[in-house]
Amino acid sequence: SQQGEEDPQALSIQEGENATMNCSYKTSINNLQWYRQNSGRGLVHLILIRSNEREKHSGRLRVTLDTSKKSSSLLITASRAADTASYFCATASNAGGTSYGKLTFGQGTILTVHP
Amino acid sequence: EAGVVQSPRYKIIEKKQPVAFWCNPISGHNTLYWYLQNLGQGPELLIRYENEEAVDDSQLPKDRFSAERLKGVDSTLKIQPAELGDSAVYLCASSYGGGVRETQYFGPGTRLLVL
Repeated sequence: SQQGEEDPQALSIQEGENATMNCSYKTSINNLQWYRQNSGRGLVHLILIRSNEREKHSGRLRVTLDTSKKSSSLLITASRAADTASYFCATASNAGGTSYGKLTFGQGTILTVHP
Repeated sequence: EAGVVQSPRYKIIEKKQPVAFWCNPISGHNTLYWYLQNLGQGPELLIRYENEEAVDDSQLPKDRFSAERLKGVDSTLKIQPAELGDSAVYLCASSYGGGVRETQYFGPGTRLLVL
């Protein structure tokens, strides 16, 4: 079952513009992660934000987390055509009271960056 | 460092036929995951191994799906018999440990089409 809902489902922008994607989830989490998936390729881990963090940066990526609203956003600044991909948020929590982590993915946002 | 290797990349079969997917995780990664990704959806966990032990197979349809990870390295996922609804991408991932903050590294996936 999918944990999160992502918004928008699809986003089309011009190169150089910023892209913002949102993710909402339902249950308590240990951390939230963002992944990118290019056409025909596997998922690539982008960034992890812990439940006690509110904002995190990595290069052109900025992630925020609001645990009171159970939501997160991913901002890609100065987008490039190479950023065209599907972006997924995934919530991580301990599986069934064990020490093992379990990732639950959202449905993803399809980002298209036009040159 | 070599990534997660999966084969075949594509498979087309008739319904009711058996099919098998193979995964070789990143060297040294003890945890291995199989995910199912339907078109337009995020991945959903099928089974998770810690070394050679399946520690979470609650989402694996055991009437037709089976998996094994002999010697705690390579893994095989099998479907017998395949149904039309099994058409999807099957992703394998691995991580160094199974903790909730571990990064999962994904292979390119096997795209299955059942006719």
